[in-house]
Amino acid sequence: DIQMTQSPSSLSASVGDRVTITCRASQGIRNDLGWYQQKPGKAPKRLIYAASSLQSGVPSRFSGSGSGTEFTLTIGSLQPEDFATYYCLQHNIYPWTFGQGTKVEIK
Amino acid sequence: EVQLVESGGGLVQPGGSLRLSCAASGFNMYNSWMHWVRQAPGKGLECVSTISGDGGSTIYGKSVKGRFTISRDNSKNTLYLQMDSLRLEDMAVYYCVLTDNGSFNFWGQGALVIVSS
Repeated sequence: DIQMTQSPSSLSASVGDRVTITCRASQGIRNDLGWYQQKPGKAPKRLIYAASSLQSGVPSRFSGSGSGTEFTLTIGSLQPEDFATYYCLQHNIYPWTFGQGTKVEIK
Repeated sequence: EVQLVESGGGLVQPGGSLRLSCAASGFNMYNSWMHWVRQAPGKGLECVSTISGDGGSTIYGKSVKGRFTISRDNSKNTLYLQMDSLRLEDMAVYYCVLTDNGSFNFWGQGALVIVSS
């Protein structure tokens, strides 16, 4: 199975901060990567698909980049509603696999 | 509007069985690969199983292979997950998920499975 190593596992940030989360794949996955936001008690919500395409309805402060084995999710200016847990998902080879998650907390 | 509604969760003893259902609407199920994803309490997300649109191809995660069976009835717009030989570590919220633009996009509200004696 492809391993997705996500970092950091948690971070503390302030409103207005720029935040970067990274996912590294154990082998090349082209751009077959999505980013998800999950709030407590809710199903995940996709933010980014195909590594860098913004999901309809998602604020433009969210952006994704990368290809192959290294991927990044950036939140340009953290807002109060962005405090949540974020996951990457590789969908290049079955079984699809998630990163371990990054919990973004209020500093 | 795509809707996915899971049912069938509940309390089961270790070694027991449970069948989850997912009622789907708002899209053409015949053309759609569908998935079950789970999340144990306080843990991350795990892909459990995947099935092709016609049901001819199925994929399982290592932790459930040989114990869980995914199936579908397109005439009833319903996805299933038969879970046998349940273990404590199978306790989780199970989500029914539909892909769009290549990856998971539409999620149900989740069904809670509690494995406890």
